Amino acid sequence: AQKITQTQPGMFVQEKEAVTLDCTYDTSDQSYGLFWYKQPSSGEMIFLIYQGSYDEQNATEGRYSLNFQKARKSANLVISASQLGDSAMYFCAMREYLKTSYDKVIFGPGTSLSVIP
Amino acid sequence: KAGVTQTPRYLIKTRGQQVTLSCSPISGHRSVSWYQQTPGQGLQFLFEYFSETQRNKGNFPGRFSGRQFSNSRSEMNVSTLELGDSALYLCASSLTGGSGNTIYFGEGSWLTVV
Repeated sequence: AQKITQTQPGMFVQEKEAVTLDCTYDTSDQSYGLFWYKQPSSGEMIFLIYQGSYDEQNATEGRYSLNFQKARKSANLVISASQLGDSAMYFCAMREYLKTSYDKVIFGPGTSLSVIP
Repeated sequence: KAGVTQTPRYLIKTRGQQVTLSCSPISGHRSVSWYQQTPGQGLQFLFEYFSETQRNKGNFPGRFSGRQFSNSRSEMNVSTLELGDSALYLCASSLTGGSGNTIYFGEGSWLTVV
């Protein structure tokens, strides 16, 4: 069964510093996709970054990068130069590429990030 | 380009009533999925629709149902509401629901059952 683990319930980071949010996953499938989403207090889930299991390079999107270590089943999110607006819940998620899975995404429990001025 | 739109944003219902939530996907997206988010259970998959057909379903009772229209808009319905149904209901859309498709979420509908 799929499972996503985020071991850090809460994190603090100083403004302008970099922070790494941990994510490990468990799947027996070779083909899958990993997502990170940000959820501010308003509730909207904001897509940040995507990594396919066959992508050889780590994904990057602006200040966000994904440290993908396939053998360790790890997909950590790195946020560089933290900003006050980065304070939010962050969710790691996975979708297997089985035909029956389609958009059935499994989410981790989330990490609450607080950026300190 | 408009994002995923959910209505209503907030609603309060009484136990035993039913509720219908609406979702308009991003233009051109044909896959719509629904998730329930609660503090205790986190984010859980409800169901996914593509071309008016339910392709996948999570582990929720039959009180939770949905449908998709020919324009890809989707509704979900919860009948005989229980206190435990209080949650944030998130709708998401993607092009086809297949591999590599990015999934975009709406702002959600906050449901409170009293």
